[in-house]
Amino acid sequence: DTEVTQTPKHLVMGMTNKKSLKCEQHMGHRAMYWYKQKAKKPPELMFVYSYEKLSINESVPSRFSPECPNSSLLNLHLHALQPEDSALYLCASSHKARGGTGMGINEKLFFGSGTQLSVL
Amino acid sequence: GEDVEQSLFLSVREGDSSVINCTYTDSSSTYLYWYKQEPGAGLQLLTYIFSNMDMKQDQRLTVLLNKKDKHLSLRIADTQTGDSAIYFCAESRSSASKIIFGSGTRLSIRP
Repeated sequence: DTEVTQTPKHLVMGMTNKKSLKCEQHMGHRAMYWYKQKAKKPPELMFVYSYEKLSINESVPSRFSPECPNSSLLNLHLHALQPEDSALYLCASSHKARGGTGMGINEKLFFGSGTQLSVL
Repeated sequence: GEDVEQSLFLSVREGDSSVINCTYTDSSSTYLYWYKQEPGAGLQLLTYIFSNMDMKQDQRLTVLLNKKDKHLSLRIADTQTGDSAIYFCAESRSSASKIIFGSGTRLSIRP
C-alpha cells in the first residue's frame, strides 16, 4: 500500500462551522505533513509531525489545529475559517523524520489527492 | 516558491522532447526533486537527484544538475498527452528541515 488517503475530497463550510480533514497512510512513515495550495501556486508547508510530535508549525493561524492520534493518522481541525482559507489542502508522508545531519535526508514525499476546501 | 524559480508555461509538440528548467539559491541543498501534479490531484514524485551527481536518467526522464550555477532541468523524451501537468522542482534544505517548492511549470502538449 503506497497510498496516502485524504477525506473528504471536497468540503464547503461556513465561517462559523467546525470541520476536520483526515489523512491516513499505512506505509510505516513516521513523518506526516499538511500543505496548503492555492490555485496556480506551489504547495506551502503548514505543519510537520515527526514520530507523532509536532516538529514544525509555519506560523499557521490558530483556527487551524493539527492532530496526530497515531503514526498512521493525521487530522486538521478547522474552526472559524475565513474565505481566504479556501484552497486545496494536501497531506503528505515520508519515511524519515526531518532534522538529520551530514549528508542530509532524502525526504521523498508521498502526497494524498487533497481536500478542496471552500469557505463561504 | 520563494528562492526556487521556474518558468510558468511550456508548450511542446507530441513526440518532441520537453525541457523544464529550475533555478535554486540554497547551495546547501542536498537533494533536488521533480514532482508532477495533474488536475485535481496531489503531487507525485517523479525523480530526484543527490547534489553530488550531475545527471540521472530514468526511462524517459533525464535530470541534469549544474551545482555551480544552481540550475536543475528535467527532460522528458517523446512527450505524450499524458505528460500534460504542472511540474514542480523542489529542494531539500537541511538547514530549514523542509522542502521548498518552485512555482511550477505548466506543460501543455499540442498535436
